[in-house]
Amino acid sequence: KAGVTQTPRYLIKTRGQQVTLSCSPISGHRSVSWYQQTPGQGLQFLFEYFSETQRNKGNFPGRFSGRQFSNSRSEMNVSTLELGDSALYLCASALSGGGGYEQYFGPGTRLTVT
Amino acid sequence: GQNIDQPTEMTATEGAIVQINCTYQTSGFNGLFWYQQHAGEAPTFLSYNVLDGLEEKGRFSSFLSRSKGYSYLLLKELQMKDSASYLCAVNSGNTPLVFGKGTRLSVIA
Repeated sequence: KAGVTQTPRYLIKTRGQQVTLSCSPISGHRSVSWYQQTPGQGLQFLFEYFSETQRNKGNFPGRFSGRQFSNSRSEMNVSTLELGDSALYLCASALSGGGGYEQYFGPGTRLTVT
Repeated sequence: GQNIDQPTEMTATEGAIVQINCTYQTSGFNGLFWYQQHAGEAPTFLSYNVLDGLEEKGRFSSFLSRSKGYSYLLLKELQMKDSASYLCAVNSGNTPLVFGKGTRLSVIA
């Protein structure tokens, strides 16, 4: 069974630009969660989607948004990039939502904002 | 609020045993996960505890005390490849997992 895939793996953007990251969950998994990981803050929850609906949202500004498609693939978008948005963005898929299921992480997208 | 504490760094010798502690204060509790993350890689699942006690899985064991808000991950017969960050994460109900900042373990010869 193929694992979670994320594209692109690496990205360099300039302040003020926007970026879209993509995540394909494990086949059959309906929940996709997104996390931002930085050395100082660790893994911080961005949002969770289940059956195309956002179930939970973390404490991030409205510049961070996401969506999920009918095939469970998910995208997250960050608009008006800031230097502080430089981080590893991880997505994780699970059979169902709510945090009670083992999450399988993708390899991440390393975003650098200059 | 939600708070999860783990030591930032630990060092242990190859072949030894190391215990990584995690304390949590969350508004609810539905289970605790441990993940391993090697540098530059994605976190991978190690264990899940929902009831008090010890869960053993090969060289790795995880313990939970719900009344104390405490868990530990025990790694036996340490190998160099165990050098990684270990993340404790709590499921506090119908909400996403809350992760600790992770413990970076260095295994030395």
